[in-house]
Amino acid sequence: TQLLEQSPQFLSIQEGENLTVYCNSSSVFSSLQWYRQEPGEGPVLLVTVVTGGEVKKLKRLTFQFGDARKDSSLHITAAQPGDTGLYLCAGAPPLDYQLIWGAGTKLIIKP
Amino acid sequence: DVKVTQSSRYLVKRTGEKVFLECVQDMDHENMFWYRQDPGLGLRLIYFSYDVKMKEKGDIPEGYSVSREKKERFSLILESASTNQTSMYLCASSLIEGHNEKLFFGSGTQLSVL
Repeated sequence: TQLLEQSPQFLSIQEGENLTVYCNSSSVFSSLQWYRQEPGEGPVLLVTVVTGGEVKKLKRLTFQFGDARKDSSLHITAAQPGDTGLYLCAGAPPLDYQLIWGAGTKLIIKP
Repeated sequence: DVKVTQSSRYLVKRTGEKVFLECVQDMDHENMFWYRQDPGLGLRLIYFSYDVKMKEKGDIPEGYSVSREKKERFSLILESASTNQTSMYLCASSLIEGHNEKLFFGSGTQLSVL
């Protein structure tokens, strides 16, 4: 069974600080997605990374897919209260149609 | 924009009741999913459907059934609700772009079974 481990599970930091969230597995994924979920809403897709070593930027968010396609990271620069939410990673196993989900990182940015 | 609508934001039911959770999507997506979300466990797939009248079990189908009579509507049924089914239920539809599947979620239904 493939697993995706996210760390940390919970992070509370001050506005303006930088942070990194990790998503790790011992298995290879053909692609990996990051979602953000705000309270009372469903997850919303932020980005999909496909190629080993790929880096994608979305304003202050930087996403990286590991060279071996087993792990990924999300780095937020100068975090703002609007970044508060639950961040979920989801990996697509090769030759399988079901996404594997991480347990999520709950992020709180204090003003 | 894709819209996935879940019929209820909050539901309170009693043990043993039959519960229907409805989900409608407006983008003609073929694939639809039901997940439950519990703190610390992430999203767990209950059932999914790739076509009308077609259903496939996910990771935790026990105690649930589904119905997909029309392409836009995917219903989750709890035949006899139990307290361990108290959870947030999320419906999603998906769009295939190349080799990637992009999920669009509804706002969720928080179900409490007393």
